Amino acid sequence: EIQMTQSPSSVSASVGDRVTITCRASQSISSYLNWYQQKPGQAPKLLIYAASSLQSGVPSRFSGSGSGTEFTFTITSLEPEDFATYYCQQTYSTWTFGQGTKVEI
Amino acid sequence: QITLKESGPALVKPTQTLTLTCTFSGFSLSTSGVGVGWIRQPPGKALEWLALTYWDDDRRYSPSLKSRLTLTKDTSKNQVVLTMTNMDPVDTATYYCAHLQTSGWHSSFDYWGQGTLVTVSS
Repeated sequence: EIQMTQSPSSVSASVGDRVTITCRASQSISSYLNWYQQKPGQAPKLLIYAASSLQSGVPSRFSGSGSGTEFTFTITSLEPEDFATYYCQQTYSTWTFGQGTKVEI
Repeated sequence: QITLKESGPALVKPTQTLTLTCTFSGFSLSTSGVGVGWIRQPPGKALEWLALTYWDDDRRYSPSLKSRLTLTKDTSKNQVVLTMTNMDPVDTATYYCAHLQTSGWHSSFDYWGQGTLVTVSS
């Protein structure tokens, strides 16, 4: 089973900051990588699919990059509504999620 | 408009079998490329993918839970049913179903149900 490791586990940031989260796969997964945002008490929301494609309706301050085993998720300028937990997910082989990264004030 | 909703018992006893139903609208599971997945999340913990069924009856299961999971679909009722046997307190979680979006070879969950909390306790 492919393991997904996110770093950091949590990050403290302020409105307007640039935030970067890394997701590493235990083996190459090409670009089969998605990113989700989850707020407390809510279901996850798809932000990025296929490593770098922005889901329809998602603001352009969110972006993703990478391929193989290392991926990056970036919020270019943090907005108040972006404080949440972010998960990566691989869909290369029997899907798995990362452990999550909490973006907090 | 795609919507999904999970239903099932809020409380099950250890060793019992859990049956959850995902009722959806806005798409058909008989349409090529369509799928429905199940994901769970223990309180305060990370998401865990459980299972996925495709329009063509292809089913995929988490290797660590495969022996305990079964997915069935009823296309006429727009439902997908997940059964999990031999429930244990560690299976306490919010269980979500989600619509599978496919773009070329890439898949993701673009619509999610609200989730249903299942507690395993005697």
